[in-house]
Amino acid sequence: GESVGLHLPTLSVQEGDNSIINCAYSNSASDYFIWYKQESGKGPQFIIDIRSNMDKRQGQRVTVLLNKTVKHLSLQIAATQPGDSAVYFCAENSMDSSYKLIFGSGTRLLVRP
Amino acid sequence: NAGVTQTPKFRILKIGQSMTLQCTQDMNHNYMYWYRQDPGMGLKLIYYSVGAGITDKGEVPNGYNVSRSTTEDFPLRLELAAPSQTSVYFCASMKGNTEAFFGQGTRLTVV
Repeated sequence: GESVGLHLPTLSVQEGDNSIINCAYSNSASDYFIWYKQESGKGPQFIIDIRSNMDKRQGQRVTVLLNKTVKHLSLQIAATQPGDSAVYFCAENSMDSSYKLIFGSGTRLLVRP
Repeated sequence: NAGVTQTPKFRILKIGQSMTLQCTQDMNHNYMYWYRQDPGMGLKLIYYSVGAGITDKGEVPNGYNVSRSTTEDFPLRLELAAPSQTSVYFCASMKGNTEAFFGQGTRLTVV
């Protein structure tokens, strides 16, 4: 079936370095992608989104890249801070699937001081 | 701003008992979702709704039921609780193809 998956279950980075979290998706009809951050004991929080008519979108210290050719999504975090330590999920959605919002398995980001 | 509210926050059930997890949103969102998250895992979609009176199965619907009689409320029903349903349950709502807002979760233990 259709799925959204991640390459790396855990990513450890030095404080101040840039982080890159990857995600592969399989539904070529997906037209909306979202990155969420989940801190321990809390619900997922929206970070940034991108629609399929774009290949890059920037926020505050975060950038999402979308490569539709290889169905790949990435989240880049600049100057990673201790407060960025969390689990990050990508999610996909599409009008074709009646907005059935599907999540990937997640990547845990650990920031070393 | 209330956003998405889930009750209860914690619950312990005995095997075979039933319960309803409540979810309400005050943002007039059409789309609502129920997910479960097992320890160290991602979110699996249980059921979702695209509007009042309309519900559909997600990835893991077995053992659960939902209803959507109003725009605001989307309760999740467990009829015969099993240990495999021990998990954290999240409700979310969304307006069209935009970001989904999540509740704080219900931690359920079935013993």
